[in-house]
Amino acid sequence: SAVISQKPSRDICQRGTSLTIQCQVDSQVTMMFWYRQQPGQSLTLIATANQGSEATYESGFVIDKFPISRPNLTFSTLTVSNMSPEDSSIYLCSVEVTASTDTQYFGPGTRLTVL
Amino acid sequence: QKEVEQNSGPLSVPEGAIASLNCTYSDRGSQSFFWYRQYSGKSPELIMSIYSNGDKEDGRFTAQLNKASQYVSLLIRDSQPSDSATYLCAVTESSASKIIFGSGTRLSIRP
Repeated sequence: SAVISQKPSRDICQRGTSLTIQCQVDSQVTMMFWYRQQPGQSLTLIATANQGSEATYESGFVIDKFPISRPNLTFSTLTVSNMSPEDSSIYLCSVEVTASTDTQYFGPGTRLTVL
Repeated sequence: QKEVEQNSGPLSVPEGAIASLNCTYSDRGSQSFFWYRQYSGKSPELIMSIYSNGDKEDGRFTAQLNKASQYVSLLIRDSQPSDSATYLCAVTESSASKIIFGSGTRLSIRP
Protein backbone atom coordinates (compact mmCIF):
# COMPACT_ATOMS: atom_id res chain seq x y z
CA SER A 1 0.00 0.00 0.00
CA ALA A 2 1.05 3.64 0.33
CA VAL A 3 0.76 6.51 2.79
CA ILE A 4 -1.15 9.34 1.14
CA SER A 5 -1.77 12.78 2.57
CA GLN A 6 -3.97 15.59 1.32
CA LYS A 7 -4.02 19.27 2.14
CA PRO A 8 -6.20 20.95 3.17
CA SER A 9 -8.39 18.43 4.96
CA ARG A 10 -11.32 20.83 4.71
CA ASP A 11 -12.04 24.36 3.62
CA ILE A 12 -14.90 26.80 3.31
CA CYS A 13 -14.63 29.08 0.29
CA GLN A 14 -16.54 31.91 -1.30
CA ARG A 15 -18.09 31.47 -4.72
CA GLY A 16 -15.94 32.67 -7.59
CA THR A 17 -12.66 31.83 -5.86
CA SER A 18 -10.30 28.91 -6.49
CA LEU A 19 -8.82 26.26 -4.22
CA THR A 20 -5.80 24.08 -4.84
CA ILE A 21 -5.72 20.66 -3.20
CA GLN A 22 -2.42 18.88 -2.71
CA CYS A 23 -1.82 15.14 -2.71
CA GLN A 24 1.47 13.69 -1.47
CA VAL A 25 2.51 10.02 -1.54
CA ASP A 26 5.34 8.41 0.43
CA SER A 27 6.60 6.43 -2.58
CA GLN A 28 6.90 6.91 -6.31
CA VAL A 29 3.77 5.95 -8.23
CA THR A 30 2.96 6.09 -11.91
CA MET A 31 -0.77 6.64 -11.77
CA MET A 32 -2.60 9.17 -9.63
CA PHE A 33 -6.30 9.84 -9.81
CA TRP A 34 -8.64 12.57 -8.62
CA TYR A 35 -12.22 11.78 -7.61
CA ARG A 36 -15.20 13.72 -6.40
CA GLN A 37 -17.73 12.34 -3.95
CA GLN A 38 -20.85 14.42 -3.48
CA PRO A 39 -22.95 13.96 -0.34
CA GLY A 40 -24.55 10.53 -0.24
CA GLN A 41 -23.10 9.58 -3.62
CA SER A 42 -20.43 7.24 -4.87
CA LEU A 43 -17.09 8.23 -6.33
CA THR A 44 -16.85 9.98 -9.68
CA LEU A 45 -13.49 10.05 -11.46
CA ILE A 46 -12.46 13.57 -12.46
CA ALA A 47 -9.15 12.83 -14.15
CA THR A 48 -6.08 10.64 -14.27
CA ALA A 49 -2.77 12.40 -13.64
CA ASN A 50 0.38 10.90 -15.09
CA GLN A 51 3.81 12.37 -14.53
CA GLY A 52 5.24 14.02 -17.61
CA SER A 53 2.00 14.28 -19.55
CA GLU A 54 -1.25 16.18 -19.44
CA ALA A 55 -4.02 14.84 -17.28
CA THR A 56 -6.77 12.79 -18.90
CA TYR A 57 -10.20 14.15 -18.02
CA GLU A 58 -13.45 12.22 -17.82
CA SER A 59 -16.60 13.26 -19.58
CA GLY A 60 -18.14 16.27 -17.86
CA PHE A 61 -14.87 17.57 -16.42
CA VAL A 62 -12.68 20.13 -18.18
CA ILE A 63 -9.18 21.42 -17.63
CA ASP A 64 -10.26 25.06 -17.28
CA LYS A 65 -12.42 24.15 -14.29
CA PHE A 66 -10.18 21.48 -12.75
CA PRO A 67 -6.55 22.10 -13.73
CA ILE A 68 -4.20 19.38 -12.51
CA SER A 69 -0.46 19.35 -12.06
CA ARG A 70 1.79 16.31 -11.68
CA PRO A 71 5.34 17.61 -11.34
CA ASN A 72 6.86 14.36 -10.08
CA LEU A 73 6.07 10.77 -9.12
CA THR A 74 5.03 11.57 -5.53
CA PHE A 75 2.93 14.72 -5.82
CA SER A 76 -0.11 16.13 -7.61
CA THR A 77 -2.45 19.09 -7.24
CA LEU A 78 -6.06 19.62 -8.25
CA THR A 79 -7.44 23.14 -8.51
CA VAL A 80 -11.15 23.80 -8.33
CA SER A 81 -11.59 27.07 -10.21
CA ASN A 82 -14.28 29.73 -10.13
CA MET A 83 -16.18 27.77 -7.52
CA SER A 84 -19.92 27.63 -7.10
CA PRO A 85 -21.98 25.94 -4.36
CA GLU A 86 -22.40 22.95 -6.71
CA ASP A 87 -18.68 22.27 -6.25
CA SER A 88 -19.23 21.51 -2.58
CA SER A 89 -18.02 17.96 -2.26
CA ILE A 90 -15.28 15.70 -0.98
CA TYR A 91 -12.29 15.54 -3.28
CA LEU A 92 -10.13 12.44 -3.08
CA CYS A 93 -6.85 11.52 -4.62
CA SER A 94 -5.85 7.92 -5.12
CA VAL A 95 -2.75 6.15 -6.32
CA GLU A 96 -2.05 2.93 -8.13
CA VAL A 97 0.96 1.44 -6.41
CA THR A 98 1.46 -1.65 -8.53
CA ALA A 99 0.35 -1.28 -12.14
CA SER A 100 -0.20 -4.97 -12.68
CA THR A 101 -2.91 -5.19 -10.03
CA ASP A 102 -4.88 -2.00 -10.84
CA THR A 103 -5.30 -1.56 -7.10
CA GLN A 104 -5.95 1.99 -5.92
CA TYR A 105 -5.41 3.42 -2.45
CA PHE A 106 -7.10 6.60 -1.33
CA GLY A 107 -5.98 9.65 0.53
CA PRO A 108 -8.05 11.00 3.44
CA GLY A 109 -9.93 13.47 1.24
CA THR A 110 -10.59 17.20 1.22
CA ARG A 111 -14.03 18.38 2.29
CA LEU A 112 -14.91 21.54 0.37
CA THR A 113 -17.84 23.80 1.14
CA VAL A 114 -18.59 26.69 -1.20
CA LEU A 115 -20.82 29.47 0.08
CA GLN B 1 -21.88 3.41 -20.49
CA LYS B 2 -20.17 0.76 -18.38
CA GLU B 3 -21.90 0.22 -15.07
CA VAL B 4 -21.47 -1.36 -11.68
CA GLU B 5 -24.71 -2.06 -9.86
CA GLN B 6 -25.23 -2.53 -6.14
CA ASN B 7 -28.28 -2.60 -3.91
CA SER B 8 -28.13 0.64 -1.95
CA GLY B 9 -29.57 -0.90 1.20
CA PRO B 10 -29.57 -0.36 4.06
CA LEU B 11 -28.86 -4.01 4.72
CA SER B 12 -29.47 -4.84 8.35
CA VAL B 13 -27.80 -7.94 9.77
CA PRO B 14 -27.73 -9.18 13.38
CA GLU B 15 -24.39 -9.29 15.13
CA GLY B 16 -22.64 -12.62 14.62
CA ALA B 17 -24.51 -13.44 11.41
CA ILE B 18 -23.19 -13.52 7.83
CA ALA B 19 -23.59 -10.36 5.77
CA SER B 20 -23.84 -10.91 2.02
CA LEU B 21 -23.20 -8.03 -0.37
CA ASN B 22 -23.70 -8.34 -4.11
CA CYS B 23 -22.54 -6.48 -7.18
CA THR B 24 -23.07 -6.89 -10.92
CA TYR B 25 -21.08 -5.26 -13.70
CA SER B 26 -21.64 -4.68 -17.40
CA ASP B 27 -18.11 -4.76 -18.86
CA ARG B 28 -17.35 -8.36 -19.89
CA GLY B 29 -13.68 -7.49 -20.34
CA SER B 30 -13.12 -6.38 -16.74
CA GLN B 31 -10.21 -8.20 -15.12
CA SER B 32 -9.86 -6.77 -11.60
CA PHE B 33 -12.49 -6.49 -8.90
CA PHE B 34 -12.38 -4.75 -5.55
CA TRP B 35 -14.38 -4.19 -2.40
CA TYR B 36 -13.84 -0.99 -0.45
CA ARG B 37 -15.26 -0.11 2.94
CA GLN B 38 -16.15 3.49 3.68
CA TYR B 39 -17.06 4.71 7.12
CA SER B 40 -19.10 7.89 7.34
CA GLY B 41 -16.86 10.92 6.87
CA LYS B 42 -13.85 8.81 5.90
CA SER B 43 -12.23 7.83 2.62
CA PRO B 44 -12.62 4.38 1.03
CA GLU B 45 -10.42 1.63 2.42
CA LEU B 46 -9.52 -1.42 0.33
CA ILE B 47 -10.59 -4.65 2.02
CA MET B 48 -10.51 -7.23 -0.77
CA SER B 49 -9.34 -7.65 -4.35
CA ILE B 50 -10.07 -10.61 -6.60
CA TYR B 51 -8.90 -11.37 -10.11
CA SER B 52 -10.00 -14.92 -10.97
CA ASN B 53 -13.20 -16.91 -10.71
CA GLY B 54 -13.98 -18.52 -7.39
CA ASP B 55 -13.58 -17.58 -3.77
CA LYS B 56 -10.87 -15.62 -2.01
CA GLU B 57 -10.80 -15.57 1.78
CA ASP B 58 -9.12 -13.08 4.09
CA GLY B 59 -10.02 -13.43 7.74
CA ARG B 60 -13.76 -12.89 8.16
CA PHE B 61 -14.10 -11.67 4.56
CA THR B 62 -14.68 -13.80 1.47
CA ALA B 63 -14.90 -12.36 -2.01
CA GLN B 64 -16.58 -14.40 -4.73
CA LEU B 65 -16.24 -13.80 -8.46
CA ASN B 66 -18.23 -15.27 -11.34
CA LYS B 67 -17.11 -13.69 -14.61
CA ALA B 68 -19.59 -15.69 -16.72
CA SER B 69 -22.49 -14.23 -14.74
CA GLN B 70 -20.70 -10.88 -14.26
CA TYR B 71 -21.17 -10.70 -10.52
CA VAL B 72 -19.00 -10.21 -7.51
CA SER B 73 -20.01 -10.73 -3.92
CA LEU B 74 -18.57 -10.13 -0.49
CA LEU B 75 -19.39 -12.25 2.54
CA ILE B 76 -18.64 -11.03 6.03
CA ARG B 77 -18.74 -13.79 8.65
CA ASP B 78 -19.37 -13.20 12.34
CA SER B 79 -20.52 -9.64 11.62
CA GLN B 80 -19.51 -7.04 14.19
CA PRO B 81 -20.95 -3.58 14.87
CA SER B 82 -17.64 -2.18 13.57
CA ASP B 83 -18.53 -3.63 10.15
CA SER B 84 -21.34 -1.08 9.85
CA ALA B 85 -20.29 1.04 6.87
CA THR B 86 -20.91 1.57 3.18
CA TYR B 87 -19.31 -1.09 0.97
CA LEU B 88 -18.27 -0.04 -2.51
CA CYS B 89 -17.81 -2.54 -5.31
CA ALA B 90 -15.25 -1.44 -7.91
CA VAL B 91 -14.38 -2.94 -11.29
CA THR B 92 -11.66 -2.08 -13.76
CA GLU B 93 -12.73 -0.86 -17.17
CA SER B 94 -11.32 -3.10 -19.89
CA SER B 95 -10.61 -0.25 -22.32
CA ALA B 96 -8.88 2.09 -19.90
CA SER B 97 -6.68 2.13 -16.82
CA LYS B 98 -9.40 3.16 -14.43
CA ILE B 99 -11.89 1.79 -11.95
CA ILE B 100 -15.64 2.17 -12.02
CA PHE B 101 -17.34 2.31 -8.63
CA GLY B 102 -20.79 1.15 -7.72
CA SER B 103 -23.06 3.38 -5.70
CA GLY B 104 -22.37 1.37 -2.54
CA THR B 105 -24.41 -0.74 -0.14
CA ARG B 106 -24.99 0.60 3.34
CA LEU B 107 -24.56 -2.21 5.90
CA SER B 108 -25.85 -1.94 9.45
CA ILE B 109 -24.98 -4.57 12.05
CA ARG B 110 -27.51 -4.59 14.86
CA PRO B 111 -26.45 -5.79 18.33
